[in-house]
Amino acid sequence: DTGVSQNPRHKITKRGQNVTFRCDPISEHNRLYWYRQTLGQGPEFLTYFQNEAQLEKSRLLSDRFSAERPKGSFSTLEIQRTEQGDSAMYLCASSFEGNQPQHFGDGTRLSIL
Amino acid sequence: DAKTTQPPSMDCAEGRAANLPCNHSTISGNEYVYWYRQIHSQGPQYIIHGLKNNETNEMASLIITEDRKSSTLILPHATLRDTAVYYCIAGNLHNAGNMLTFGGGTRLMVKP
Repeated sequence: DTGVSQNPRHKITKRGQNVTFRCDPISEHNRLYWYRQTLGQGPEFLTYFQNEAQLEKSRLLSDRFSAERPKGSFSTLEIQRTEQGDSAMYLCASSFEGNQPQHFGDGTRLSIL
Repeated sequence: DAKTTQPPSMDCAEGRAANLPCNHSTISGNEYVYWYRQIHSQGPQYIIHGLKNNETNEMASLIITEDRKSSTLILPHATLRDTAVYYCIAGNLHNAGNMLTFGGGTRLMVKP
């Protein structure tokens, strides 16, 4: 399968713990996006990378959130000191440059106890 | 990104064509129309996109009105597996950082 891969698919953790998610984009896609989706809502943009550079961040991305894409390939999203409100599906997408469509992974569902 | 308006839900009989409308009356000249769908517990799946001309691929057809203020996604022979939330998005992804702005979408229920 050459689609966007996200791990883990599910994560359950206690409030206050740190969590890290991984995204492997479609190879040769130089753009990588993170979105968050809560129940009953459409996905909301969090941040975006062009190669290894993080070029855009949403106001939704508080200082407890950090994302990296060290070699311009896979990316990680870390949430520190998790809160109940962080419970959501975290989606990763990738694309070529230009007006090419983004292709999404199946997300990581985070549940905070 | 231009705002889009979609009906919250629609039903369609299995085997019939599903026609999903989208209004994007404030779309600008360089903004494309993208359609995605999301089946429960999966990520959004890209369906089709277009700028001015009608487009067709193996999944669907996209009909864009001449004034570009609205469009229709057509699933020619809906199956039960097409039951999903369908999102219409108007935007220009060419510029760095231009993310997809999802609205509420249309929940399509295909019935036997």
